[in-house]
Amino acid sequence: EAQVTQNPRYLITVTGKKLTVTCSQNMNHEYMSWYRQDPGLGLRQIYYSMNVEVTDKGDVPEGYKVSRKEKRNFPLILESPSPNQTSLYFCASSLWGVDTEQYFGPGTRLTVT
Amino acid sequence: RKEVEQDPGPFNVPEGATVAFNCTYSNSASQSFFWYRQDCRKEPKLLMSVYSSGNEDGRFTAQLNRASQYISLLIRDSKLSDSATYLCVVTAMDSNYQLIWGAGTKLIIKP
Repeated sequence: EAQVTQNPRYLITVTGKKLTVTCSQNMNHEYMSWYRQDPGLGLRQIYYSMNVEVTDKGDVPEGYKVSRKEKRNFPLILESPSPNQTSLYFCASSLWGVDTEQYFGPGTRLTVT
Repeated sequence: RKEVEQDPGPFNVPEGATVAFNCTYSNSASQSFFWYRQDCRKEPKLLMSVYSSGNEDGRFTAQLNRASQYISLLIRDSKLSDSATYLCVVTAMDSNYQLIWGAGTKLIIKP
């Protein structure tokens, strides 16, 4: 089944404790991205990647890191999480960029206390 | 001013009614336009792309007005299963690799 998977789905952590949210797609998509979604705001892009080893900042990259060592994986790293990073996070992939359909993972609900 | 603006709703509509949403965008250079649907606490899914000539998919019709910089979505004969949040999406002003998302319009279809 073609899909984007994210893990974990739910995470409660404490300020400053490094965490990684994994994202994997099995559709051989070139483009991958991370978003956060907060009430009353649209999805805001954190980072995106056009291909392996090519990543770039989105609109809200502060406090996040990503890597794209393999085409299928695009982990999101929070080196020192803070409460303002409490949010719903989505990973997405598409065949070659923003003009094609974005396929989303199921989301990761992160709470930082 | 937000780059993509939508009426947040909620729109409470009886089953079988026709409902229309508008979305305005600020970047006149945007090239691609989409409507996504998001069910409560779930991931967004593409509903339809929006083309300059307008396009229809069953009960759904999307239209683009470049001069006025707005996109519309019309749902005819609404079903209970149409209850969701509808997200308007356009390509970003200064990047070919980013999308700008509206905050969404919540639709509730009542029996």
